Amino acid sequence: DGGITQSPKYLFRKEGQNVTLSCEQNLNHDAMYWYRQDPGQGLRLIYYSQIVNDFQKGDIAEGYSVSREKKESFPLTVTSAQKNPTAFYLCASRPRADEKLFFGSGTQLSVL
Amino acid sequence: EDQVTQSPEALRLQEGESSSLNCSYTVSGLRGLFWYRQDPGKGPEFLFTLYSAGEEKEKERLKATLTKKESFLHITAPKPEDSATYLCAPGLISSGSARQLTFGSGTQLTVLP
Repeated sequence: DGGITQSPKYLFRKEGQNVTLSCEQNLNHDAMYWYRQDPGQGLRLIYYSQIVNDFQKGDIAEGYSVSREKKESFPLTVTSAQKNPTAFYLCASRPRADEKLFFGSGTQLSVL
Repeated sequence: EDQVTQSPEALRLQEGESSSLNCSYTVSGLRGLFWYRQDPGKGPEFLFTLYSAGEEKEKERLKATLTKKESFLHITAPKPEDSATYLCAPGLISSGSARQLTFGSGTQLTVLP
């Protein structure tokens, strides 16, 4: 079945540590996105990528980094510079001819 | 500044008790208004896209409508399985070819049996 796979489901970060969240899609979508969701708040855009080897900052990119080496993959690294990383992280993709986003099942990141 | 406001923040209904959720927005360059359903611990699931004022779309017990400044999600005779958080998101035409959605904070709907 086609879809977006995020892993791991739960992730714990120690202080000063970088962690990487995986996002893989087999939908052949061009655009991919990372959102952060905090309780009681809307989704906030971290980074997005329209094509391979290109990506743009969203509204809250500080403390995060991404890469897009393959069309199928868009990993997100939460660096030690992100002082409040506890949140639910959602990866999404969008086909070229459509505006709606398709979401993965999310990764809950917590700080130890 | 683009803003999206959803109301109420939370809504508790008895099974069969119809109601409406509101999404009001002030955005420039609107390109579609999207509704999503999100279950706890899961990613949002697409429900509807509305493009023009006056447009309506239906799916089972849900009907979405759109005016120039707001959208409503009407829930008719809801069942407990309709319990979820409902998110609205105006789509924007931003610079270049990138298109982004600005999400509201959602309405958490609980339908009691």
